[in-house]
Amino acid sequence: DGGITQSPKYLFRKEGQNVTLSCEQNLNHDAMYWYRQDPGQGLRLIYYSQIVNDFQKGDIAEGYSVSREKKESFPLTVTSAQKNPTAFYLCASGRTYEQYFGPGTRLTVT
Amino acid sequence: QQQVKQSPQSLIVQKGGISIINCAYENTAFDYFPWYQQFPGKGPALLIAIRPDVSEKKEGRFTISFNKSAKQFSLHIMDSQPGDSATYFCAASISIGYSTLTFGKGTMLLVSP
Repeated sequence: DGGITQSPKYLFRKEGQNVTLSCEQNLNHDAMYWYRQDPGQGLRLIYYSQIVNDFQKGDIAEGYSVSREKKESFPLTVTSAQKNPTAFYLCASGRTYEQYFGPGTRLTVT
Repeated sequence: QQQVKQSPQSLIVQKGGISIINCAYENTAFDYFPWYQQFPGKGPALLIAIRPDVSEKKEGRFTISFNKSAKQFSLHIMDSQPGDSATYFCAASISIGYSTLTFGKGTMLLVSP
């Protein structure tokens, strides 16, 4: 069953803690993306990776970090430096003009 | 700077009516314009897309109209159904080379029974 999986679906953390969100795809896509979604703000690009061991900052990369050690995996770490981390996080893969999204992880930081 | 402006922010349409969502872009280098549909708690899914060499593209009840000179494009949902109730995002990108999608802020559509 091909697709993109994100885990967990809901995540709760205390302020000051780093947290890593998982994203795995078995679609054999080279490119993967992380977006943040806030009410009324649309989807904003955090980081993207066109190929293994390479990634670029998106529009709102501050306070986030990523790695791309395997083609299938693109984990996102929300660091304690991110001022407002509570949001819905979406991972996607595919070409620019045809991106497939995962089901998302809702992160709540209190 | 928002490069893709989407309106309205929310829309209520009666069942059987036509839903219309509009987007405007600024970057004339954009050459690919997709629309995504997102249901609550789910990730967005590609609905329909258009390139600027055509003025209209239709897939079932969904139609994209494109006006290159005005730098505008719109989504029309004919015979709107309650199951169409979702958030719709327009987007734009440059299709060659390494590029990313720029999304509008979304339109929350509610189709009343």
